[in-house]
Amino acid sequence: ETGVTQSPTHLIKTRGQQVTLRCSSQSGHNTVSWYQQALGQGPQFIFQYYREEENGRGNFPPRFSGLQFPNYSSELNVNALELDDSALYLCASTRGASGNTNTGELFFGEGSRLTVL
Amino acid sequence: AQSVTQLGSHVSVSEGALVLLRCNYSSSVPPYLFWYVQYPNQGLQLLLKYTSAATLVKGINGFEAEFKKSETSFHLTKPSAHMSDAAEYFCAVTGGGGAQKLVFGQGTRLTINP
Repeated sequence: ETGVTQSPTHLIKTRGQQVTLRCSSQSGHNTVSWYQQALGQGPQFIFQYYREEENGRGNFPPRFSGLQFPNYSSELNVNALELDDSALYLCASTRGASGNTNTGELFFGEGSRLTVL
Repeated sequence: AQSVTQLGSHVSVSEGALVLLRCNYSSSVPPYLFWYVQYPNQGLQLLLKYTSAATLVKGINGFEAEFKKSETSFHLTKPSAHMSDAAEYFCAVTGGGGAQKLVFGQGTRLTINP
């Protein structure tokens, strides 16, 4: 069984640029969530995708956007990067029914560490 | 709305000693509660979860936690610490229907002294 994989593992961007982070969900999982973990902080929920549609979003501006593909993999896109976007971005997958996954276990990838200069 | 407070950003114990990591939550609906562990340069791994069944929950690696509604707490314990337990621990809460938006605490860094 293949776990959650994320790419790239590390990347450096400059302010104003755009970035795309990728996530392959665990086999059999149809729901993907993205979290931002700033240094020394707990992860913060960005959004969740279920069956290719966003079905929940945290307190992040519209320049944070995402996609989920038919194979349930996902992308996180961030436009107009700011210094405060520097963080570890974590992808998590689970098997949801109708998008309600509250009792399910989230399986996390190892994250993509983004540095914005 | 939900929130989590982890008391103590750093906890240090001796190998073989009791581990106690504190978590208090706030939730307007019956909560589901989780403890995750994060080793350096890795993602999060689920230790245990409370989903309205037994209030004493046993997890992996000898950890357990007790849900106390009257105290709004979900403290994590382990009777005897091992060097391999050194990591960052996060308490999280979710609840209500729809997307599983986990709300995490700030984390507690556990150090084990030989």
